[in-house]
Amino acid sequence: NAGVTQTPKFQVLKTGQSMTLQCAQDMNHEYMSWYRQDPGMGLRLIHYSVGAGITDQGEVPNGYNVSRSTTEDFPLRLLSAAPSQTSVYFCASSHFPGHRETQYFGPGTRLLVL
Amino acid sequence: GQSLEQPSEVTAVEGAIVQINCTYQTSGFYGLSWYQQHDGGAPTFLSYNALDGLEETGRFSSFLSRSDSYGYLLLQELQMKDSASYFCAVSGAGNNRKLIWGLGTSLAVNP
Repeated sequence: NAGVTQTPKFQVLKTGQSMTLQCAQDMNHEYMSWYRQDPGMGLRLIHYSVGAGITDQGEVPNGYNVSRSTTEDFPLRLLSAAPSQTSVYFCASSHFPGHRETQYFGPGTRLLVL
Repeated sequence: GQSLEQPSEVTAVEGAIVQINCTYQTSGFYGLSWYQQHDGGAPTFLSYNALDGLEETGRFSSFLSRSDSYGYLLLQELQMKDSASYFCAVSGAGNNRKLIWGLGTSLAVNP
């Protein structure tokens, strides 16, 4: 199993550009989520999904959109990039309800917005 | 609102025992998780407590007291590779099980 994969690993954007961060998992997990992590900070939840066709907002959803058309994929779209969105983005998945609430994380996407 | 507090930094020596505390305030509570993150890496799951008491997994143990809204992670026989950030996270009761994270504790293990 590949686990949770994310692409790209690194990305540089100009202010105002849009892009999609890809996330896929092959563990048949119902629950998927997107976090951002800024230096010296914990993880902040952007959006999450408890199953295909179901998404909801986390703590910091503004400027981001998600969709969940399949169990495997959960892309994150930046609508109009801003320097404040410079961050490391992690995608995570787990069974829902979870066994021991274990979330499995992808390797992250490092985004720089100029 | 929901918040978690944990120390920002802890320093210890190889072979020692270290305890990282976490106190939380949440509007609903299902369980307390602990994750480890090395620099530049992704968080990895360490331990989880839904009920009061101690959970042991090898050199790592985690404790929860729901009445005190408090938990801790205990790391024994510290090794240099344990130098990392450690996060506590609370999953809320209800249908969404969202994880809310502490800001992390940076553990430095010295020779």
